[in-house]
Amino acid sequence: GESVGLHLPTLSVQEGDNSIINCAYSNSASDYFIWYKQESGKGPQFIIDIRSNMDKRQGQRVTVLLNKTVKHLSLQIAATQPGDSAVYFCADEREDFNKFYFGSGTKLNVKP
Amino acid sequence: DGGITQSPKYLFRKEGQNVTLSCEQNLNHDAMYWYRQDPGQGLRLIYYSQIVNDFQKGDIAEGYSVSREKKESFPLTVTSAQKNPTAFYLCASSLRQGNSPLHFGNGTRLTVT
Repeated sequence: GESVGLHLPTLSVQEGDNSIINCAYSNSASDYFIWYKQESGKGPQFIIDIRSNMDKRQGQRVTVLLNKTVKHLSLQIAATQPGDSAVYFCADEREDFNKFYFGSGTKLNVKP
Repeated sequence: DGGITQSPKYLFRKEGQNVTLSCEQNLNHDAMYWYRQDPGQGLRLIYYSQIVNDFQKGDIAEGYSVSREKKESFPLTVTSAQKNPTAFYLCASSLRQGNSPLHFGNGTRLTVT
């Protein structure tokens, strides 16, 4: 597979535990944020998004929290499963709409 | 099923040769993008197009070229001027409006020796 996980921060969790992956963004003008999951050898897969007028959004087993004051985004995964093992990226859209900037990613390793 | 198809999955070229990566989408999206991914780094934008026959440079356009003759297709040419072309290339598409997520293909791994 692709070596997209090299040199990335790694979060190791036990199967069944909750995971929290963090992301900092730099541009206070960013108004839309997305979390992506990327498995080895594949393209990023959309997980959940949030607009800047929201602080929290929930999906199936996932929650995204947005703190605009400190420009911080987090992804919470409940009851983490082995299939959640992947690299997770946050992306933000700035005032140039449709133009996204990506973080460097966090590798999630789920131990059985 | 709707989606984005990138081909080939693996591509090998000799230094000095141009190479074209294919990207086709059947999602009826107006906007299409090319990103480059290197180990340990986030995705970096090469080129993007918001409509047919129009495209803009991204942050790392030097050594690359694109065309957008059809809504469904956005091929990327990696020219011999690109100094470090070996990378994983990702194509994406989206609706041409704000707050619309990118949908990605499964990438092409280009190795230049």
